[in-house]
Amino acid sequence: QPALTQPASVSGSPGQSITISCTGTSSDVGGYNFVSWYQQLPGKAPKLIIYEVSNRPSGVPDRLSGSKSGNTASLTISGLQAEDEGDYYCVSFTDNSLYAFGTGTKVAVL
Amino acid sequence: VHLEQSGAEVKQPGASVKVSCKASNYNFPTFGISWVRQAPGHGLEWMGWINTYNGYTNYAEKFQDRVTMTTDTSTSTVYMELRSLRSDDAAQYFCARDVQQLGLFYLDYWGQGTLLTVSS
Repeated sequence: QPALTQPASVSGSPGQSITISCTGTSSDVGGYNFVSWYQQLPGKAPKLIIYEVSNRPSGVPDRLSGSKSGNTASLTISGLQAEDEGDYYCVSFTDNSLYAFGTGTKVAVL
Repeated sequence: VHLEQSGAEVKQPGASVKVSCKASNYNFPTFGISWVRQAPGHGLEWMGWINTYNGYTNYAEKFQDRVTMTTDTSTSTVYMELRSLRSDDAAQYFCARDVQQLGLFYLDYWGQGTLLTVSS
């Protein structure tokens, strides 16, 4: 299944807001509200931070938020902090009952 | 919830590898397990999913001919076997708890990863 498209990198200064896009098709992102986001810190396993487009698991700060419009989902990090540095991946359920992963975005805090 | 994976493996090209993922602290048959891999310096790649209640599997097309996922409910363990290994199979392999059996679609807990090296 083709990968979902994310920007390779996004950066911001502490306190700023950044948004990571995740573009798919009507067969995945646009067709289902089953988009999730994962944070992967260096050398660690991924961690679920958003599920079903905009829901946060317990313990995830409300500075992180998700949304979707058409075939594009977005993750916004408000009040950027140094601890937010890492890689972020979107994932969507697809027509073939599979998962499509995003290409990944490296977040840098300047 | 805890997912404990087996240790690092070194295999020759053409060989097979079997990685285990032992689950604890939740009702094992209620949640499936997905496998995701990550080659060095690359992104995450979904390999497939197993329903731990009935053993049903759904594999990504890329791996359909070479992967087998199995479940052992007596030990709350899922296994992922990858055959005919190639150099580009060298990666970190993660298992993750999958909520598909609940009619939802995300991976809420992850194992620590198992590093596979493929070298002659």
